Amino acid sequence: DQQVKQNSPSLSVQEGRISILNCDYTNSMFDYFLWYKKYPAEGPTFLISISSIKDKNEDGRFTVFLNKSAKHLSLHIVPSQPGDSAVYFCAARVTGNQFYFGTGTSLTVIP
Amino acid sequence: DAMVIQNPRYQVTQFGKPVTLSCSQTLNHNVMYWYQQKSSQAPKLLFHYYDKDFNNEADTPDNFQSRRPNTSFCFLDIRSPGLGDAAMYLCATSRAGLAAEQFFGPGTRLTVL
Repeated sequence: DQQVKQNSPSLSVQEGRISILNCDYTNSMFDYFLWYKKYPAEGPTFLISISSIKDKNEDGRFTVFLNKSAKHLSLHIVPSQPGDSAVYFCAARVTGNQFYFGTGTSLTVIP
Repeated sequence: DAMVIQNPRYQVTQFGKPVTLSCSQTLNHNVMYWYQQKSSQAPKLLFHYYDKDFNNEADTPDNFQSRRPNTSFCFLDIRSPGLGDAAMYLCATSRAGLAAEQFFGPGTRLTVL
């Protein structure tokens, strides 16, 4: 049973425009949400996170929004750069050290 | 640089032949995790160690075992690999507490012949 879902396997965006990656979840007990970025032949790298008590967290070009009523979070990248091309994983934590990941969205930023 | 190292990067084994994957870290994190990721699927948590305390996920097959002899090292043992165990195996570490970010190794790609 997939508790974290990324329904878009891929996304293409022009350089300089906004990239929006979406994630839905089913478990209301998740207390922390994270986004990871993965390049080929490397492990995932932490990008940004948000606590369940917040609705927005911003770090430079990256902003994560959390809508708890809709059980939905999104990652905004503005402006998108070719180096942002990677697979992005959404993850969520149940209190403690139990994590659930989505299947990933492959982002391509076109120069 | 502080990091998470996985060896080997590629492992080939035969059906039913035990195999061990290793992970080491220089971050001095007290939590270590093992994930299995099959093609186009989400990484799936198999188990984790909080210091020496082992935490097994309910649906992790008995075929998978783990050892953590010290803070720096963690091993994944697959006692009798089946064809369905072919996957990427990711090791990760984190500090316990509110900050939940994990640091991942590059993974070991396991092939079962």
